[in-house]
Amino acid sequence: NAGVTQTPKFRILKIGQSMTLQCTQDMNHNYMYWYRQDPGMGLKLIYYSVGAGITDKGEVPNGYNVSRSTTEDFPLRLELAAPSQTSVYFCASSYSSYQPQHFGDGTRLSIL
Amino acid sequence: ELKVEQNPLFLSMQEGKNYTIYCNYSTTSDRLYWYRQDPGKSLESLFVLLSNGAVKQEGRLMASLDTKARLSTLHITAAVHDLSATYFCAVDMMEYGNKLVFGAGTILRVKS
Repeated sequence: NAGVTQTPKFRILKIGQSMTLQCTQDMNHNYMYWYRQDPGMGLKLIYYSVGAGITDKGEVPNGYNVSRSTTEDFPLRLELAAPSQTSVYFCASSYSSYQPQHFGDGTRLSIL
Repeated sequence: ELKVEQNPLFLSMQEGKNYTIYCNYSTTSDRLYWYRQDPGKSLESLFVLLSNGAVKQEGRLMASLDTKARLSTLHITAAVHDLSATYFCAVDMMEYGNKLVFGAGTILRVKS
């Protein structure tokens, strides 16, 4: 059972480039989340989804987009990358809002 | 503004000692989660506290929730080196659509 799988694990982007961070889960969870973690800080919610076709903004959505076409996948799109988006990105999923979230291993993204 | 405050932010303790990490939050919630993160790793769920007075214990860690005081504690008993990690509390801000807001984390170092 793979759980939550994120790809890539590391990436370096140039300012202005775009990329998609992939996230897939095999636990049939309805809820999926994207967070960013800056050095020495807690996680901040970027976007979340309560089911296929439904997405909503979190605390820090600017500069990002998401889609949820299937239960399993929840990709995060960065358009026009900026140095302020240098961070570690975590995808998570949960069966319901009462259940703990299961986290992927993270994507370490640097924008230079 | 929704706030989740942990203290201390850094804790260095000797093996065998006891200590408590505090998590205060600024709005009504009866759902609180504790996570552990090892350096460079993902987050692991430790405890889910879903009601006032909830107490959960696992090994040398015990978590409790007082919703009236808007306070959760994570108590460490007879610390061992393997407990060295960063501990996060996260509060489910239900009135804002069941979004988790994380504290900044407490870095725990247990010295032999």
